[in-house]
Amino acid sequence: EVQLVQSGAELKKPGESLKISCRGSGYSFTTYWIGWVRQVPGKGLEWMGIVYPGDSDTRYSPSFQGQVTISTDESISTAYLQWSSLKASDTAIYYCATRSPGYPYYFDFWGQGTLVTVSS
Amino acid sequence: DIQMTQSPSSLSASVGDRVTITCRASQNINTYLNWYQQKPGKAPNLLIYGASILQSGVPSRFSGSGSGTDFTLTISSLLPEDLATYYCQQTYSNPLSAFGPGTKVYIK
Repeated sequence: EVQLVQSGAELKKPGESLKISCRGSGYSFTTYWIGWVRQVPGKGLEWMGIVYPGDSDTRYSPSFQGQVTISTDESISTAYLQWSSLKASDTAIYYCATRSPGYPYYFDFWGQGTLVTVSS
Repeated sequence: DIQMTQSPSSLSASVGDRVTITCRASQNINTYLNWYQQKPGKAPNLLIYGASILQSGVPSRFSGSGSGTDFTLTISSLLPEDLATYYCQQTYSNPLSAFGPGTKVYIK
């Protein structure tokens, strides 16, 4: 059974750094792209970026380029989303999801979401 | 960038009603269009991929159609458990992607 398990909720202060995780199991981790999606409370889904664990090829939405870093550690089947300096506007739920290997490239398995709250 | 729009932004319908949600892309995306349902407090769930292919396990009252720039998600007979927000997603710009702004469905 394919599962994506995300790290727990975080409460951070503006300016702090953060790395959240998404551990995959039940499938070949290195052969499926993993994407990250942001959802500000009460708002819609925003596609942030995607990484291919097999070769670390990473692409970002222009809205998130330079704001976050996406990475993986294939030895522990885990993808990461990190910030070097959080802002209050980063408060949101963050989801990871696996992407199907071929056309039409849908997100079929999702993590449970990680709530990140940034507040002074 | 390919921009996605959805209409309406919200709707209220009665149990048994036929509900139609529209998604429009700013340029031709062929059938690289997926639909997701998100219930309150839950992660999104894939309903339709490739514009019209029903994901395994999804009830047959859901259907999708369209190609190019205009797409439709239809719920043939609305049930109370269909209370949710529905999002379209384009993957034509693979590996980049984008979601539509969502349509919130309320039950009268």
